[in-house]
Amino acid sequence: EAEVAQSPRYKITEKSQAVAFWCDPISGHATLYWYRQILGQGPELLVQFQDESVVDDSQLPKDRFSAERLKGVDSTLKIQPAELGDSAMYLCASSSRQGEQFFGPGTRLTVL
Amino acid sequence: AQSVAQPEDQVNVAEGNPLTVKCTYSVSGNPYLFWYVQYPNRGLQFLLKYITGDNLVKGSYGFEAEFNKSQTSFHLKKPSALVSDSALYFCAVRDSGSGNTGKLIFGQGTTLQVKP
Repeated sequence: EAEVAQSPRYKITEKSQAVAFWCDPISGHATLYWYRQILGQGPELLVQFQDESVVDDSQLPKDRFSAERLKGVDSTLKIQPAELGDSAMYLCASSSRQGEQFFGPGTRLTVL
Repeated sequence: AQSVAQPEDQVNVAEGNPLTVKCTYSVSGNPYLFWYVQYPNRGLQFLLKYITGDNLVKGSYGFEAEFNKSQTSFHLKKPSALVSDSALYFCAVRDSGSGNTGKLIFGQGTTLQVKP
C-alpha cells in the first residue's frame, strides 16, 4: 500500500539553528500539505501545494519558515532560525483529486 | 469561520462495551466531515468520511459515524470496543472554499482509553 514518506522521524536542535524536513507524497497525488501539531492540539495547516504552486500559506510564519515543491513531487519545509516554540510534530499529507488526505508518520521536532 | 469541537478530552470505556466519541461542527455550506485516529508518535490514519448521502457512515476497523444535520454533530461510534482501539481521535471538517482538496480543520482531539 502506498504511503507518504517523511524524514527525519525525530530532530533535536538548538534554538537559532536551521532545520529541514522532507516529504515524499503518494505517487500521483497533486496536492501536498504541511501541518503542524503542537502537543495536545489538533494539526493546523502551514502550507498547501497544488503541483509545484503554493495555494495556501496564510498560516506559515514567513519570517522563519519556507517551503518548496520544485518539481511538483517531493517537498521540503525549512525553519531558520528555530525557536523554542517551534517544538511540535510536523505532518505531511497528500491527496488525490477525490480529496481524501493521507498522512505521513511525521517529524517530531524538539528545540532546546 | 469553520470550526470543529470535541467536547471530551478523554473517553474511558470497558472492552466489549459500545463507545462514542463526540464531535460537533460549524460550517457555512455543506459539511465535509472526517475522522482520523493517531497512535503515539505516528501520523494520522483515516477512519471514515461523510460527504453526502446516508447519514450513517461505515469506516475502517468497525467504526461508524452518524451525521446529524439538525444537531450539527458527527459522533464516532463502535458497537464493541477493543483495547487496541485506545488512541487519540480527531474529528475534522474540510474547508469548503477550496473544493475537494481544501485544508482540513481539526478538533482538539479525544483520547480513547479502553480498559480490559
